[in-house]
Amino acid sequence: GAVVSQHPSWVICKSGTSVKIECRSLDFQATTMFWYRQFPKQSLMLMATSNEGSKATYEQGVEKDKFLINHASLTLSTLTVTSAHPEDSSFYICSASAPPPLGDTQYFGPGTRLTVL
Amino acid sequence: QKEVEQNSGPLSVPEGAIASLNCTYSDRVSQSFFWYRQYSGKSPELIMSIYSNGDKEDGRFTAQLNKASQYVSLLIRDSQPSDSATYLCAVNMRTNAGKSTFGDGTTLTVKP
Repeated sequence: GAVVSQHPSWVICKSGTSVKIECRSLDFQATTMFWYRQFPKQSLMLMATSNEGSKATYEQGVEKDKFLINHASLTLSTLTVTSAHPEDSSFYICSASAPPPLGDTQYFGPGTRLTVL
Repeated sequence: QKEVEQNSGPLSVPEGAIASLNCTYSDRVSQSFFWYRQYSGKSPELIMSIYSNGDKEDGRFTAQLNKASQYVSLLIRDSQPSDSATYLCAVNMRTNAGKSTFGDGTTLTVKP
């Protein structure tokens, strides 16, 4: 149990275009989903926390107009990178948590590798 | 001071040895503690969760929690080359409503 999927697993896009990444909890309802970014050989960096039906809470320094998060249902959250630039190239990972009995554990998706040319 | 600190690493142990990974946290009211393993180029996967003081064993892995000293550790017995990865300590602080604070990770290499 507690499986989280992400789609796509990798994407290459041109500078200036937008990219949407989907995160789904497959076998549980996720009350909260998290979006992280990780650059090579660096730590996980939390970008935002989203709860179903409400606006996402962004971490300091993360541009909410650039990284649009939608959490429309208890099993789906999306991250859209708008007007992507080469510096947005990174590994984007979502995680999901659920109420008991799964508790407050975060289960991670497999990640999406974004390359902006 | 970081909220969650881990051994700076990297840590190298021979195959079959015990690997010891340590983590300290700053918020005394923290409730939940997790160890994740992250292979290079992959996302983190949960190894263990621990909520009460003492030891919790799962196969070759043992998590140890000491809330009074504010540390949590992970022991890997009979280390295998496949255990070579970065290990992340995560702490859920009561004030953060389920959000985990992660350490920077300790990279472990198990040499055959």
